[in-house]
Amino acid sequence: DTAVSQTPKYLVTQMGNDKSIKCEQNLGHDTMYWYKQDSKKFLKIMFSYNNKELIINETVPNRFSPKSPDKAHLNLHINSLELGDSAVYFCASSQVPGSLYEQYFGPGTRLTVT
Amino acid sequence: QKEVEQDPGPLSVPEGAIVSLNCTYSNSAFQYFMWYRQYSRKGPELLMYTYSSGNKEDGRFTAQVDKSSKYISLFIRDSQPSDSATYLCAMSAGAGKSTFGDGTTLTVKP
Repeated sequence: DTAVSQTPKYLVTQMGNDKSIKCEQNLGHDTMYWYKQDSKKFLKIMFSYNNKELIINETVPNRFSPKSPDKAHLNLHINSLELGDSAVYFCASSQVPGSLYEQYFGPGTRLTVT
Repeated sequence: QKEVEQDPGPLSVPEGAIVSLNCTYSNSAFQYFMWYRQYSRKGPELLMYTYSSGNKEDGRFTAQVDKSSKYISLFIRDSQPSDSATYLCAMSAGAGKSTFGDGTTLTVKP
């Protein structure tokens, strides 16, 4: 059973399009995260939700909007995609907010904007 | 200047070698220090974590934290080809956001 799953795994789209990435965790965790990893492997947190409430919102363009319909799901919608949005997006979850030492990552969604 | 600096690599060693991976940081509020391992095209997985200063050992892996020098290390003994991956250090001041290093890619050659 996959603990943290993301769909799709790969996403190729053109500039200006709107796309969504979905994440689900079956660990019963209260907190979920979105990270962006660029081509140089730098991993940067974007958002964090605890019990469906936004608790971390880093300096991310307004084109990115997370949505958490329930504790087990955290989706990421991106409007007006730009070339610089190309990256791997990872979803993660933990029981305690911000507790890096028990954070579980999904397999990633590789987004390519052409 | 970045809050967390990691030795860039890449690092290539023969099987059986001792590997040392290092990070320095500038934020003295960091208390939680983690090492993640990321295989190619996979998500990071937590390898070890340490709270505050000291050493922690788990099998072939040893994590060291020196808060006075703001320096952390991960040692891998008797390295194996299966250890080939990117290693990311990460740090946190507590609940809230984390900060990752840029990662060091390690290749262990048989």
